[in-house]
Amino acid sequence: EIVLTQSPGTLSLSPGERATLSCRASQSVRSSYLAWYQQKPGQAPRLLIYGASSRATGIPDRFSGSGSGTDFTLTISRLEPEDFAVYYCQQYDTSHTFGQGTRLEIK
Amino acid sequence: QVHLQQSGPGLVKPSQTLSLTCAISGDSVSSNRAAWNWIRQSPSRGLEWLGRTYYRSKWYNDYAVSVKSRININADTSKNQFSLQLSSVTPDDTAVYFCARNYYYDIWGQGTLVTVSS
Repeated sequence: EIVLTQSPGTLSLSPGERATLSCRASQSVRSSYLAWYQQKPGQAPRLLIYGASSRATGIPDRFSGSGSGTDFTLTISRLEPEDFAVYYCQQYDTSHTFGQGTRLEIK
Repeated sequence: QVHLQQSGPGLVKPSQTLSLTCAISGDSVSSNRAAWNWIRQSPSRGLEWLGRTYYRSKWYNDYAVSVKSRININADTSKNQFSLQLSSVTPDDTAVYFCARNYYYDIWGQGTLVTVSS
């Protein structure tokens, strides 16, 4: 099973700042089968990024994904108030597994 | 526009079978390009993929190792829906259960809190 480790666990930033979230895999994720989700309380996760770097439909361009192999990054270029939430990475190469999440909170 | 609507009981007794249904609108359960998943979320386990069903000239199922002996996912083409059955449940199966489409999950159901308790 591919284990995904996200860091940091909590990130405290202010609106307008840049956020960088990390997801590290225990083994290489082939073909960059890596996705990122945003989840707000009481809601289902929302797909942001798939294929490591492709934005899902309707996702603003301030969200970007990068990386390959075992190291992946989600970047939010300028934080908006609605971006404060929990973010998860997920690999769909070998079975499907999720990271434990990064909580992005307002500083 | 694709929409997934979940239904099923929110309370299940220990040792019984948890059953949930996900009704699909705007897509087909027998699409040759889609896959239909069940995922759960709990404070102790986080987000956990349970399994999927998909049609590629015939039906396929894949299940997570952690639940493989207890899970069944079925498609009902007449109702355009798919279902989850998880047997021999314990309080550790208490979670919010979601259905979702595809390999990266682009469409999600609304979630169903299922509590396992006597």
